[in-house]
Amino acid sequence: AQTVTQSQPEMSVQEAETVTLSCTYDTSESDYYLFWYKQPPSRQMILVIRQEAYKQQNATENRFSVNFQKAAKSFSLKISDSQLGDAAMYFCAYRSRANSKLTFGKGITLSVRP
Amino acid sequence: ETGVTQTPRHLVMGMTNKKSLKCEQHLGHNAMYWYKQSAKKPLELMFVYNFKEQTENNSVPSRFSPECPNSSHLFLHLHTLQPEDSALYLCASSQEGSQTYEQYFGPGTRLTVT
Repeated sequence: AQTVTQSQPEMSVQEAETVTLSCTYDTSESDYYLFWYKQPPSRQMILVIRQEAYKQQNATENRFSVNFQKAAKSFSLKISDSQLGDAAMYFCAYRSRANSKLTFGKGITLSVRP
Repeated sequence: ETGVTQTPRHLVMGMTNKKSLKCEQHLGHNAMYWYKQSAKKPLELMFVYNFKEQTENNSVPSRFSPECPNSSHLFLHLHTLQPEDSALYLCASSQEGSQTYEQYFGPGTRLTVT
């Protein structure tokens, strides 16, 4: 069975600084997708970034980028130039291409200090 | 309306009540999902519908009954719930068979069982 592990329950970052959120996963499959979702206090789950396992290039979306290490089964999220609006809970998620089921980590609460 | 909508946003019900949660997706997707989010636990997938057919039931108690009349609407019928069923219930949709596979979430229904 696939598992997703986010071992850090909380992190804090100074506004305008950079922070990296860690995620590891376990799977025996070779064709899969990884996601980072953001859940602010409003509770709406928002997709931040997506990575296809077959792509070697790390995904980037504006201030958000990932460090995808397939052999190590690691998928970390880097947030550059942190803003107050980045404060939220962040979830790492995995799905295989063949199965629509998303497996989520426990999430990490990110706070941004002004 | 755009994206995924859910009604009601908040619901308080007694253990003997019957109520329904509604989800509607305006994205033209072919798959819909129900998740349960409890405090300090990862998101739990409850049900998956692909092309209106239920493809996954994650050992959910029978007091939760899903209904998918068409690819845009998803309901979760509730009856004789327990206090431990109090949680945030999230609906999501995705386009299976596409190149991206990400799920888009609604704002959730905060359910309190008294």
